[in-house]
Amino acid sequence: ETGVTQTPRHLVMGMTNKKSLKCEQHLGHNAMYWYKQSAKKPLELMFVYSLEERVENNSVPSRFSPECPNSSHLFLHLHTLQPEDSALYLCASSQGVSGGATQYFGPGTRLTVL
Amino acid sequence: GIQVEQSPPDLILQEGANSTLRCNFSDSVNNLQWFHQNPWGQLINLFYIPSGTKQNGRLSATTVATERYSLLYISSSQTTDSGVYFCAVEQAAGNKLTFGGGTRVLVKP
Repeated sequence: ETGVTQTPRHLVMGMTNKKSLKCEQHLGHNAMYWYKQSAKKPLELMFVYSLEERVENNSVPSRFSPECPNSSHLFLHLHTLQPEDSALYLCASSQGVSGGATQYFGPGTRLTVL
Repeated sequence: GIQVEQSPPDLILQEGANSTLRCNFSDSVNNLQWFHQNPWGQLINLFYIPSGTKQNGRLSATTVATERYSLLYISSSQTTDSGVYFCAVEQAAGNKLTFGGGTRVLVKP
């Protein structure tokens, strides 16, 4: 399934680095999401963008900074991360801004913070 | 917030066996989805099923919204069915999926 793509697929970074994760959806959707999947924890919603505006910030630390320049692209800018931020970061998109729409996921970026 | 519990947490099957995975949720929902996460981390949509029954090949799902549970049936399991199965629900507020802890399935040849 190539509807939602994410780059890079793997990323190793030091705590002082700055990096960005990229997500692109080719489905014509108008809502995009970032999720975090840590070992032995359920998937957690981080951010929701609807029509390029952030509508949800699920108490995420400021060292994670999302950006949605248009309805097809979503970025997650990372800076001064901690080792406990190591996780699989998943992007998703859906059609519909009022909920009840199927979400489609990208393959994820596996992040390791040293 | 809403609680989503999946059972069993782990399941080992012999190829060809049938199984049932369960998802319980603590409040009324607007949306319920079942996903399969393959060993590479990709989440694959299986069903969008806020209520009723759906079938897709060897998989089927039933959601009884009034009793706040959903079931995923796997029939004639194959080794490619291995992975983690997640249930996720969305309440009426919209656009925010809450995931269960998943059921890790291993199908042995």
